[in-house]
Amino acid sequence: DAKTTQPTSMDCAEGRAANLPCNHSTISGNEYVYWYRQIHSQGPQYIIHGLKNNETNEMASLIITEDRKSSTLILPHATLRDTAVYYCIATNAGNNRKLIWGLGTSLAVNP
Amino acid sequence: ETGVTQSPTHLIKTRGQQVTLRCSSQSGHNTVSWYQQALGQGPQFIFQYYREEENGRGNFPPRFSGLQFPNYSSELNVNALELDDSALYLCASSLGPTGELFFGEGSRLTVL
Repeated sequence: DAKTTQPTSMDCAEGRAANLPCNHSTISGNEYVYWYRQIHSQGPQYIIHGLKNNETNEMASLIITEDRKSSTLILPHATLRDTAVYYCIATNAGNNRKLIWGLGTSLAVNP
Repeated sequence: ETGVTQSPTHLIKTRGQQVTLRCSSQSGHNTVSWYQQALGQGPQFIFQYYREEENGRGNFPPRFSGLQFPNYSSELNVNALELDDSALYLCASSLGPTGELFFGEGSRLTVL
């Protein structure tokens, strides 16, 4: 699985968009980008995933660059409840069982 | 709420003891994955069970073992506990080995 690099921490004002970057420069053609988040002391929560095209769901949008070497998770209107550690994982869908997690980005949404 | 429940939520053991952690998967899910999360770290994959068979294992010693039952619930057993086994143990269920993971709240194990 490709290694991902994320900033250690970020801040965002409540109501503004939170843009969380992720570098995965060694990603291979059949590897997806997954995003999970973990609110303090809870289990991780699936957010979104994509392969090539940008994706959007009720929680977030995922923008993947054309060369697939990086991506950005966008929370359009961050709330205090979005304060969490966000993990970006690049993995072959067939290896979903073996997600390799880094340290993630600790996002603090401030009032 | 993911529908995945884990028990116990917290427990304390001493070095050398054995522990069993339990996980009930979300209704309709036939796959359970177990992860270990040390404080300040991301989760690390332990193993996965699919239809009662082990379907992949991470870099953990044999004293970490598991089981999946016909109703797809699962157990994680750890023998000869070491101090470094202190962690949050997470269970995730999915519809098949490549389905999206739905995590429980975890079992926090402290080894003294």
